[in-house]
Amino acid sequence: AQTVTQSQPEMSVQEAETVTLSCTYDTSESDYYLFWYKQPPSRQMILVIRQEAYKQQNATENRFSVNFQKAAKSFSLKISDSQLGDAAMYFCAYRGETSGSRLTFGEGTQLTVNP
Amino acid sequence: NAGVMQNPRHLVRRRGQEARLRCSPMKGHSHVYWYRQLPEEGLKFMVYLQKENIIDESGMPKERFSAEFPKEGPSILRIQQVVRGDSAAYFCASSPEIRTGAEAFFGQGTRLTVV
Repeated sequence: AQTVTQSQPEMSVQEAETVTLSCTYDTSESDYYLFWYKQPPSRQMILVIRQEAYKQQNATENRFSVNFQKAAKSFSLKISDSQLGDAAMYFCAYRGETSGSRLTFGEGTQLTVNP
Repeated sequence: NAGVMQNPRHLVRRRGQEARLRCSPMKGHSHVYWYRQLPEEGLKFMVYLQKENIIDESGMPKERFSAEFPKEGPSILRIQQVVRGDSAAYFCASSPEIRTGAEAFFGQGTRLTVV
C-alpha cells in the first residue's frame, strides 16, 4: 500500500521569505502523480501544484515549485515570496496507476506566515 | 460553472440518529469520491462512485456507512446509528475522468458533530 509522510506538523515563515515543506512517499508503482493541496480555514481543498512521476522537470506554478526526487521518493514544496494568504494547512497527496482514482494524503503541515 | 456543492455545511446529530450528507459534483463530472478528515489528521479515502455504480468502497467502514450516486440527483453518504467517533469533516470530490493525473475538485465539506 502507498503511504505519504509529512514530517513537519507546523512551519512558520516571515512574509516575503521562502519556505520549503517536506513530503516523502512509499510506492512500488512506476506511474503515478503527486499533488500538493492547500486547505485554508474555510476548509476548501485547493490544488496548488501537481507532478507527473515520469517527468524529470520539476513543476512550477508562479510562486510555488516542487523539488521532486524520484529515487529518494521525496516531493517537497517551495513557496517563494510568502504572502499572508499562503497561511493554511498543506497536504501532500499521491495517486497511482493501480490505486484507481483515490488520493492518498499525508497528515498535513500547518503553515503560519508572520507579517 | 458551479463548483462541487456539499450540504449541509454543518450537521449535528445525537448518538443513534442517521446522518445524510449530499454532494452535487461539478457539471459534466461523473466520478465522485468521498473522504473523511478526522480532527488533526489528513483526508482518508472512503468510496469512489460513478453514476449508479460503486467502483471502490475499500475505505468504507463495513457497518453503518453506505453511499450512492443515482442516475439523477446528488451523491449521498449515509451514516446510520451515528457514534461520537463519526464526528469529522466529510469531503466530496469530483472529476470528469479517471485518468491518473486528472484533477479532483473538492467541495467545502460537511462537518458532522455527534453529541
